[in-house]
Amino acid sequence: EDQVTQSPEALRLQEGESSSLNCSYTVSGLRGLFWYRQDPGKGPEFLFTLYSAGEEKEKERLKATLTKKESFLHITAPKPEDSATYLCAVQGGYNQGGKLIFGQGTELSVKP
Amino acid sequence: KAGVTQTPRYLIKTRGQQVTLSCSPISGHRSVSWYQQTPGQGLQFLFEYFSETQRNKGNFPGRFSGRQFSNSRSEMNVSTLELGDSALYLCASSLVSSGPGNTIYFGEGSWLTVV
Repeated sequence: EDQVTQSPEALRLQEGESSSLNCSYTVSGLRGLFWYRQDPGKGPEFLFTLYSAGEEKEKERLKATLTKKESFLHITAPKPEDSATYLCAVQGGYNQGGKLIFGQGTELSVKP
Repeated sequence: KAGVTQTPRYLIKTRGQQVTLSCSPISGHRSVSWYQQTPGQGLQFLFEYFSETQRNKGNFPGRFSGRQFSNSRSEMNVSTLELGDSALYLCASSLVSSGPGNTIYFGEGSWLTVV
């Protein structure tokens, strides 16, 4: 069964303290791994899609990487405005259409 | 460019009633998916529509249904509401179902409270 596990569940950082969020997945035929950011009361905001092991993508202070079993979201010198829940999702199986399977998310809090 | 638009944003219903939620995808997008988000279960896939056809369905009871119109707008319906149906219902749209470069965008969601 396709599954996504994110760790840690919650992460508290001081402003400027770099760290990484982990997303482990089990999927038959990965067609894409997605990272989203979600602020309280809002819908998920798209960050990145990764398609194959070894791929990396960057956006401002965020960098996403992908291996055959997991993905990391690296946050460099975070600011308080980076506080949010970060969601990882996979799209797998050629008969699954556009279905995304989500992890439970990592709640990030960055203190000034 | 307008994003994914969902209406209504907030609604309160009574147990046993039914509810219809609406989603307008990004212009040109043909794939629309629906998700339920709750604190305990996280984001769970409900169903996906592409060119007015349901392509995939999640593990939800038959009380949950949906449809897509020729202009790609979609609606989902929940009949005989239960307290456990209280959740944030999210709509997502993309050009196609999947494939390299196919970004999936979410709307702000419809908050449903069942009392």
